[in-house]
Amino acid sequence: RKEVEQDPGPFNVPEGATVAFNCTYSNSASQSFFWYRQDCRKEPKLLMSVYSSGNEDGRFTAQLNRASQYISLLIRDSKLSDSATYLCVVTGGDNNRKLIWGLGTSLAVNP
Amino acid sequence: DGGITQSPKYLFRKEGQNVTLSCEQNLNHDAMYWYRQDPGQGLRLIYYSQIVNDFQKGDIAEGYSVSREKKESFPLTVTSAQKNPTAFYLCASLRDPTEAFFGQGTRLTVV
Repeated sequence: RKEVEQDPGPFNVPEGATVAFNCTYSNSASQSFFWYRQDCRKEPKLLMSVYSSGNEDGRFTAQLNRASQYISLLIRDSKLSDSATYLCVVTGGDNNRKLIWGLGTSLAVNP
Repeated sequence: DGGITQSPKYLFRKEGQNVTLSCEQNLNHDAMYWYRQDPGQGLRLIYYSQIVNDFQKGDIAEGYSVSREKKESFPLTVTSAQKNPTAFYLCASLRDPTEAFFGQGTRLTVV
């Protein structure tokens, strides 16, 4: 089983749609969780951290379910500019300082 | 502005040649990382360094070498022993506890 698993997609949605991605992780000791966004041929950029209580940033909502070991990302009112690959990241290794990356979920928002 | 600078952006290597990729940061971060990304694949850890003059192998260190003589700098050498070096190389530094900041990447192609 991979340490971090994501549905690769692609997810094709119309503008204005709501779309959700899930990510499962295998290490119950993981302490920090993130969603990164990567545009084609660019470096990943932090979208948001994921907290146990859930957190929201504008149209984006992230949630963590420690019992089931998954995190989610919800995007409301999708924009064309949301088209990208979304990478799930969890921490692990010694002192929980190793970043373990999912392969990413591809999103295409269509006009 | 603080950030991470990778150079060059594009690099061409002849078979049997060693090449060095530069990574410089002025964020005052202790931890720095090198990742490799192949098309359609996730980030794979090559080497990381938690502190000056110390570094550890990641998951795919064979054929690569690094040094960390200064806090700001973490160059990666791709040696001739790396049989399939064509990839997108990303350098990152870590703001405690685990938020990663990336450089813009170097695309290495073997010609």
